[in-house]
Amino acid sequence: ILNVEQSPQSLHVQEGDSTNFTCSFPSSNFYALHWYRWETAKSPEALFVMTLNGDEKKKGRISATLNTKEGYSYLYIKGSQPEDSATYLCAFRDDYKLSFGAGTTVTVRA
Amino acid sequence: EAGVAQSPRYKIIEKRQSVAFWCNPISGHATLYWYQQILGQGPKLLIQFQNNGVVDDSQLPKDRFSAERLKGVDSTLKIQPAKLEDSAVYLCASSLAGGYQLFFGSGTQLSVL
Repeated sequence: ILNVEQSPQSLHVQEGDSTNFTCSFPSSNFYALHWYRWETAKSPEALFVMTLNGDEKKKGRISATLNTKEGYSYLYIKGSQPEDSATYLCAFRDDYKLSFGAGTTVTVRA
Repeated sequence: EAGVAQSPRYKIIEKRQSVAFWCNPISGHATLYWYQQILGQGPKLLIQFQNNGVVDDSQLPKDRFSAERLKGVDSTLKIQPAKLEDSAVYLCASSLAGGYQLFFGSGTQLSVL
């Protein structure tokens, strides 16, 4: 079982503030790094699939960076809104399996 | 395009009872996954099917869990008998054969009392 760690476990953000959090993963046998957003009572929704070292992806106010050599990815939320409240999961894919972190739960306070 | 369908949405049972979950993947997706997510942990793969064959069931507790995917379309996951530690969200996901992108259902929240 691969060690995929996310930090912090949870965070509270004031509406309008920006925030970021981390996913750490093994630096060997890297195929891809996935980010998902999981809102309460809904399906986890794919945000990004990142495959190349140095990749930067953006979707609206959410962006992510990837460093495969040191084994980490950052996810950024710019100008947080209440609808950004969710658990953000990262998942590391090696040559045969997808391993998930425990997630970072973001609560945006109005 | 219809998403991954799962039922039931919630289930409460007593320990030692049996329970079954159903999943209908996105049409055309050959690969189907069942994940277990215990509170505070990341989703853990229980079983992966490619069409109606099992690709990976290394983390499935086979003494009590079983899964099938007859005809390579929808799938059923069963727990018999349930234990308290089986309380979790059970997620079904599907993907194209060899595809990177997983599409998830909304999960079944199981509480074992």
